[in-house]
Amino acid sequence: GAGVSQSPSNKVTEKGKDVELRCDPISGHTALYWYRQSLGQGLEFLIYFQGNSAPDKSGLPSDRFSAERTGGSVSTLTIQRTQQEDSAVYLCASSLTIGSGYTFGSGTRLTVV
Amino acid sequence: GDSVTQMEGPVTLSEEAFLTINCTYTATGYPSLFWYVQYPGEGLQLLLKATKADDKGSNKGFEATYRKETTSFHLEKGSVQVSDSAVYFCALREGAGSYQLTFGKGTKLSVIP
Repeated sequence: GAGVSQSPSNKVTEKGKDVELRCDPISGHTALYWYRQSLGQGLEFLIYFQGNSAPDKSGLPSDRFSAERTGGSVSTLTIQRTQQEDSAVYLCASSLTIGSGYTFGSGTRLTVV
Repeated sequence: GDSVTQMEGPVTLSEEAFLTINCTYTATGYPSLFWYVQYPGEGLQLLLKATKADDKGSNKGFEATYRKETTSFHLEKGSVQVSDSAVYFCALREGAGSYQLTFGKGTKLSVIP
């Protein structure tokens, strides 16, 4: 696609429920990143995918968070048993190769009530 | 570890005023430096970048100079417009082969007519 597409744009969920956030990167971009933007905080790195290599999961805040990237394209970020502190904007970005410029999606605003 | 510190907002300016948003960084090597802008309801967009000391990045009337001696990358614009109202993020990426961006907390700019 022309840009990085994320869905849903907004998600309200009850505490304890699981949620899935989707990211469709720019076609041909081999690198994909997830970041979290919490109120009053900067962007926090979560996870990075590059081609068929093992992802860098070092930024995931707990084992309730997981992500996968199917076929080197679409990625899904899953949060299990959501907590109120998970409320944030989750941003996805892709880049042509490692080290080249990022293109960000518009994000998914997650609210846990 | 790497870190980015930028001036806290919000910043409110009148149209045509001069803008400075301070950014300083801590890094172990020779990072590339970036300014991203996030307009309301949109994803982050790369505004400008600089990859080595004394480089000046510029775009849309904004400028920032990579100052290694002061570890700074301050954003400036000579005459702001209402359309510049957004959140501005300073960021760094360590090394040519690195993929992870380290962001500051963002500075919200509001320009009033």
